[in-house]
Amino acid sequence: RKEVEQDPGPFNVPEGATVAFNCTYSNSASQSFFWYRQDCRKEPKLLMSVYSSGNEDGRFTAQLNRASQYISLLIRDSKLSDSATYLCVVILYSSASKIIFGSGTRLSIRP
Amino acid sequence: NAGVTQTPKFRVLKTGQSMTLLCAQDMNHEYMYWYRQDPGMGLRLIHYSVGEGTTAKGEVPDGYNVSRLKKQNFLLGLESAAPSQTSVYFCASSYGLGGGANVLTFGAGSRLTVL
Repeated sequence: RKEVEQDPGPFNVPEGATVAFNCTYSNSASQSFFWYRQDCRKEPKLLMSVYSSGNEDGRFTAQLNRASQYISLLIRDSKLSDSATYLCVVILYSSASKIIFGSGTRLSIRP
Repeated sequence: NAGVTQTPKFRVLKTGQSMTLLCAQDMNHEYMYWYRQDPGMGLRLIHYSVGEGTTAKGEVPDGYNVSRLKKQNFLLGLESAAPSQTSVYFCASSYGLGGGANVLTFGAGSRLTVL
């Protein structure tokens, strides 16, 4: 079983829709959680950190469920510019060697 | 502010050739990382460094060597390239690991093809 798993998609949704995807992690000792965004043939960039109480940044909401060991990303009122691959990142044991990336979920927003 | 700069951006090698990828950061970050990204496999850590003069192995270190002689630079070397090393290589850096220090800043990537 992979340490961090994501549905690869693609998710194909119309502009203005709400879309959500999850990321599951296997190690309950995981300490830090993030969502990164990666555009086609570009580098990953931080979208948002994920806090235990959940957090929101504009149209984006991230949640952490430690009991079920998953994090989620909700995008409201989706824009064409939201089309990208979303990477889940989990850090275990506060070790540089334990920054684990999911394979990514591809999102495509259609007009 | 340039952030993280990788050179070269593209390179084609023949099997058995050697090359070095250079990563430079101007953010005074302590930690630096080299990842490779292959379709369907996400980013995998090759080597990393937690400070000038230090290096450590990541998940997939075989066939690669690294050096961190200066804090701002992290070099990734391929001594004898193999077709299995065809990939996109990303360098990243961060202040550290605690709190907001563990946010990674990535370079634009280096696309390497080994024939």
